[in-house]
Amino acid sequence: AQTVTQSQPEMSVQEAETVTLSCTYDTSESDYYLFWYKQPPSRQMILVIRQEAYKQQNATENRFSVNFQKAAKSFSLKISDSQLGDAAMYFCAYRAQFSGNTPLVFGKGTRLSVIA
Amino acid sequence: GAGVSQSPRYKVAKRGQDVALRCDPISGHVSLFWYQQALGQGPEFLTYFQNEAQLDKSGLPSDRFFAERPEGSVSTLKIQRTQQEDSAVYLCASSTGPRAWGKMYEQYFGPGTRLTVT
Repeated sequence: AQTVTQSQPEMSVQEAETVTLSCTYDTSESDYYLFWYKQPPSRQMILVIRQEAYKQQNATENRFSVNFQKAAKSFSLKISDSQLGDAAMYFCAYRAQFSGNTPLVFGKGTRLSVIA
Repeated sequence: GAGVSQSPRYKVAKRGQDVALRCDPISGHVSLFWYQQALGQGPEFLTYFQNEAQLDKSGLPSDRFFAERPEGSVSTLKIQRTQQEDSAVYLCASSTGPRAWGKMYEQYFGPGTRLTVT
């Protein structure tokens, strides 16, 4: 079974600084998707960024970027120019690529605090 | 609708009571997932529907958990004889597809129902 590990239960960053959240995963598949979700206190899961495993280029969405190391099964999230609104729980998630829809496998999350 | 909605947002149940949690997916979304998120944990998969067919219920923790989606739109997750370990946030997500091999269908999440069993 696939597993996702987030080894940092909590992280903090000064406003306007950069922070990196770590994620590793285990799978025997060669094709899959990886995601970072943000969950604020409202509990709404918000997709931050996604990466297709077959793409070598790291995904970027504005201030958010990933460092995808397929051989090492590592998928870290970098947040640049951190803002107060970035404070939330961040979950790394894996999804197998099959015909049809497959469920997400989540890590335990990292709580990010942003210090003004 | 504009997004996935869930009701109620909060539910307190006494141990042994039955509860029903509702999910309204985005209109036209074929796929619907239920996840359980215990306090301090990431969401865990419970069950998956494609239209009205329940194609995967491997994550349901016991036979006290039952889900349905009779008309392929609204879904209800029912928990019978609730126990304290059932206390969690229950998240619903919907997506388009499946239509094509390998296509990534984004899952859109609702705000969840927080269930507290006392």
